Amino acid sequence: AQTVTQSQPEMSVQEAETVTLSCTYDTSESDYYLFWYKQPPSRQMILVIRQEAYKQQNATENRFSVNFQKAAKSFSLKISDSQLGDAAMYFCAYNTNAGKSTFGDGTTLTVKP
Amino acid sequence: DVKVTQSSRYLVKRTGEKVFLECVQDMDHENMFWYRQDPGLGLRLIYFSYDVKMKEKGDIPEGYSVSREKKERFSLILESASTNQTSMYLCASSPGTARTEAFFGQGTRLTVV
Repeated sequence: AQTVTQSQPEMSVQEAETVTLSCTYDTSESDYYLFWYKQPPSRQMILVIRQEAYKQQNATENRFSVNFQKAAKSFSLKISDSQLGDAAMYFCAYNTNAGKSTFGDGTTLTVKP
Repeated sequence: DVKVTQSSRYLVKRTGEKVFLECVQDMDHENMFWYRQDPGLGLRLIYFSYDVKMKEKGDIPEGYSVSREKKERFSLILESASTNQTSMYLCASSPGTARTEAFFGQGTRLTVV
């Protein structure tokens, strides 16, 4: 079975600074997808970014990028130029081939003005 | 816009009551999920359905059952509600492929008194 570990229950960042959220996972599969989701205080979970395991290139979406280290089974999320609206809980997730997701425990990000 | 709708944002029920949480998706997705979200425990999968009338137990199915009579609707049933089932319940759907993210409802905060 796959496991996903987020070792930072809480993080904080100053507005306009950069923060990195950590995620590690365990799997025996060679091809899979990884995701970061954001859950703002209003609670609806939304996708931030996805990474396909067989792609070497790290995914980027505007101010959000990942550092994907397949051999180390590490998948961190970097948020650049942090904004107040980035404050949320962030979940790392792994998808099986059937589209079933395993989530980490989440990291609560606080953005300080 | 894709949509997953949960029937209630907030619900208060008495111990021993039978509780129904309803979820509807309008995206013709194969997969539907019920998660429970508790502080420090992340998202834990209760039940998963990959087709109409098909279901699979997740990590914490005890005390819960599910029903999926139509593709778009997935119901979570608490047969006899207990106080330890007080939690946030999230419904999600996905197309059943690894590359596509899950789409979430807004959550139901259930309090059992």
